Amino acid sequence: QSVLTQPPSVSAAPGQKVTISCSGSSSDIGNCFVSWYQQLPGTAPKLLIYENNKRPSGIPDRFSGSKSGTSATLGITGLQTGDEAEYYCGTWDSSRTVYVFGTGTKVTVL
Amino acid sequence: QLQLQESGPGLVKPSETLSLTCTVSSGSISSTGYYWGWIRQPPGKGLEWMGSIYYSGTTYYNPSLKSRITISVDTSKNQFSLELRSVSAADTAVYVCGRSTGDGTAYFDYWGQGTLVTVSS
Repeated sequence: QSVLTQPPSVSAAPGQKVTISCSGSSSDIGNCFVSWYQQLPGTAPKLLIYENNKRPSGIPDRFSGSKSGTSATLGITGLQTGDEAEYYCGTWDSSRTVYVFGTGTKVTVL
Repeated sequence: QLQLQESGPGLVKPSETLSLTCTVSSGSISSTGYYWGWIRQPPGKGLEWMGSIYYSGTTYYNPSLKSRITISVDTSKNQFSLELRSVSAADTAVYVCGRSTGDGTAYFDYWGQGTLVTVSS
């Protein structure tokens, strides 16, 4: 029942860059901050980006976030094999008072 | 470093109640400005926020679960709990507890490791 739409998959060679889009609406992304999570296989999600573009301590600056209107984007530069994971965006939907996650994007390093 | 740990049965029968507890350590569940939530992930699928609670007892629930879910908090034990009633096979998932900030800025900064709950007779 995700209301945030992400591409199912993206891929690139090691060292290259990928971007993942997250599309929402005026009541969610358009009105609230966006966060991004990385889920490595078999593990719980981990916070990568919060408040659209801030990185928690320990997250390398290869990861970046941005937001424009009702869409957000996660960028990963200098792609590494360890970046292979599922990535989710998330935000608060102020009209429905629910937290919503994106549909998820699998990143593959070729 | 804040830690969260889920506990509870890994197998629940259809139509019964799923009950899980999340124990918070190296931090206080009564910290102001933070909510405590449950997220689940069916096998091979995406994340679904189920609901969150503030230490005062204020709750927010996913409307899709509102008739079946209760989240409660026990500040004396530094724990919060999930009850999901009338479960079916569709409720089979990894259940994860997490800490989030408030409303419009909300993000989950700490997560438990997750626990698989299977609904089966």
